[in-house]
Amino acid sequence: AQSVTQLDSQVPVFEEAPVELRCNYSSSVSVYLFWYVQYPNQGLQLLLKYLSGSTLVKGINGFEAEFNKSQTSFHLRKPSVHISDTAEYFCAVRDFGNEKLTFGTGTRLTIIP
Amino acid sequence: DAGITQSPRYKITETGRQVTLMCHQTWSHSYMFWYRQDLGHGLRLIYYSAAADITDKGEVPDGYVVSRSKTENFPLTLESATRSQTSVYFCASGGTGVTYNEQFFGPGTRLTVL
Repeated sequence: AQSVTQLDSQVPVFEEAPVELRCNYSSSVSVYLFWYVQYPNQGLQLLLKYLSGSTLVKGINGFEAEFNKSQTSFHLRKPSVHISDTAEYFCAVRDFGNEKLTFGTGTRLTIIP
Repeated sequence: DAGITQSPRYKITETGRQVTLMCHQTWSHSYMFWYRQDLGHGLRLIYYSAAADITDKGEVPDGYVVSRSKTENFPLTLESATRSQTSVYFCASGGTGVTYNEQFFGPGTRLTVL
């Protein structure tokens, strides 16, 4: 069975500093990988996804993520964060041929002015 | 309006009562999903549906019932609510074509069971 680990439940970062949110997964088959963002009192919105091809994926709001198959990781990065990036971020994995997503437990990103 | 909507947005009920949460999408997506979000657990899949009249269990289906008579609607029923079902519930849909690999989420329903 697949699983997703987000080791950092909370990450405080100063405004304009870089950030990396970590995600590791386990699966016995090939996967699709996703990062979703949840702003307070809202649903989840897709930030970016890796389906195939280039391992560096760019998403909305200046975020990017790199798929590393050997380390089974899909870390999310942003070079300079803003107050508006304050949100909860979820990593998710989906096996090829399976419609179901498995989510990590989320990382709460707090931006310090 | 186009998109995916959930109703009600907030619900307070008592233990033992039946509650139905509604989900409606206007994209004609084939797949629909119900998740619950709890602190420390992220989102967990309750039930999903591949098409009208086709449903299947997810990770945490006990205590829940779903139906899908029309493509656009996917109601979730708690037949006899328990305190452990206090949670935020999200509906999602996923389609075909360019959106095949993406799930679109509704705004959520916050359910409190007293």
